[in-house]
Amino acid sequence: DGGITQSPKYLFRKEGQNVTLSCEQNLNHDAMYWYRQDPGQGLRLIYYSQIVNDFQKGDIAEGYSVSREKKESFPLTVTSAQKNPTAFYLCASSWTYSGNTIYFGEGSWLTVV
Amino acid sequence: GIQVEQSPPDLILQEGANSTLRCNFSDSVNNLQWFHQNPWGQLINLFYIPSGTKQNGRLSATTVATERYSLLYISSSQTTDSGVYFCAVVYGSSNTGKLIFGQGTTLQVKP
Repeated sequence: DGGITQSPKYLFRKEGQNVTLSCEQNLNHDAMYWYRQDPGQGLRLIYYSQIVNDFQKGDIAEGYSVSREKKESFPLTVTSAQKNPTAFYLCASSWTYSGNTIYFGEGSWLTVV
Repeated sequence: GIQVEQSPPDLILQEGANSTLRCNFSDSVNNLQWFHQNPWGQLINLFYIPSGTKQNGRLSATTVATERYSLLYISSSQTTDSGVYFCAVVYGSSNTGKLIFGQGTTLQVKP
């Protein structure tokens, strides 16, 4: 089936640890995005990428890092520098950099314990 | 930056009722989308509608770009319509694909 796969669905992290969230898409989309959602809030953009080996910071990039070594993959690392990492993380992709119709994965819940 | 405001913040309906959700935005947009987030967190794209009117089954949406608002209509609501509805926009000439989300409307449909 075509779509966006995020893993893991649930993740617990100890303070001071880095964790990496996986995002894979088989839609052949050029653009990929990472958003963060806090309880009762809308989504905020962390990073986005138009093409392989290129990515740009979004509105809340501090404490996060990404890579885009392959078109279909856009992993997000939540570093120990992120002061409040507990949130719901959503990966998305679209055909064109201008946005067009954007499709989301099922999300990953990260809890810091 | 652009402001995206959705109303009402919460809505409770009886099954079978109709509803209208509103999204106001403070600047010109070149991309507007409506999403439904189900209770498990999955975001489903409902409409890509920077202007005009579209319909998909019981749902329809209208965007009046010149007046900077969009409406989402839900007719004959069902319990499966429950969840959070988000409006999101890309604005100005940035052409970056950066969606700016509203705070959402939480809909509960009672049987």
